[in-house]
Amino acid sequence: AQSVTQLDSQVPVFEEAPVELRCNYSSSVSVYLFWYVQYPNQGLQLLLKYLSGSTLVKGINGFEAEFNKSQTSFHLRKPSVHISDTAEYFCAVTQPDSWGKLQFGAGTQVVVTP
Amino acid sequence: DTEVTQTPKHLVMGMTNKKSLKCEQHMGHRAMYWYKQKAKKPPELMFVYSYEKLSINESVPSRFSPECPNSSLLNLHLHALQPEDSALYLCASSQDGTSGLETQYFGPGTRLLVL
Repeated sequence: AQSVTQLDSQVPVFEEAPVELRCNYSSSVSVYLFWYVQYPNQGLQLLLKYLSGSTLVKGINGFEAEFNKSQTSFHLRKPSVHISDTAEYFCAVTQPDSWGKLQFGAGTQVVVTP
Repeated sequence: DTEVTQTPKHLVMGMTNKKSLKCEQHMGHRAMYWYKQKAKKPPELMFVYSYEKLSINESVPSRFSPECPNSSLLNLHLHALQPEDSALYLCASSQDGTSGLETQYFGPGTRLLVL
């Protein structure tokens, strides 16, 4: 069985400040890791994903995440946020041959203020 | 074109009504998904179709009936729903759904209210 924990339900941040969203997973087998973003009243959009190889993954909109196998973490970072980054962020995990079955974390609401 | 479209955007129905949600993609994907998302919660997988065959049914009540007429279309037929079924219903698609490494592309969802 696999699970995902997002430690922060809400993260307030000022515009142009950095932000880090924490994600930890548990699994007895190898995993693939994803970060999706959901803007208000919209569907989900992929920010980035880790499949293998380099542990530092760069995504869209200036986001990046680092896979840490020893700490079973996949934290998301952005060095300078914009008002438009206000959204819900979901960490998700799948396993090979999982028929696309994504296991989502509870989500982190990022609120960017001027 | 990386768009998944869903209709209608909003739907209000009574508990005795029959309605359908529709989803369409033209990316050549062979896997399509239905998710249910309650407010302030993550999406929950309901069904997965791969090559027009149902590959995953997450023990969803029979009042929800999926249909995949072809690889571009996915329907969700609703009948005798309960108020607790009110939620955002998201459709997604991916390459073929047989592995976990695929990116899923989500539609904007249908917001359903059951009275």
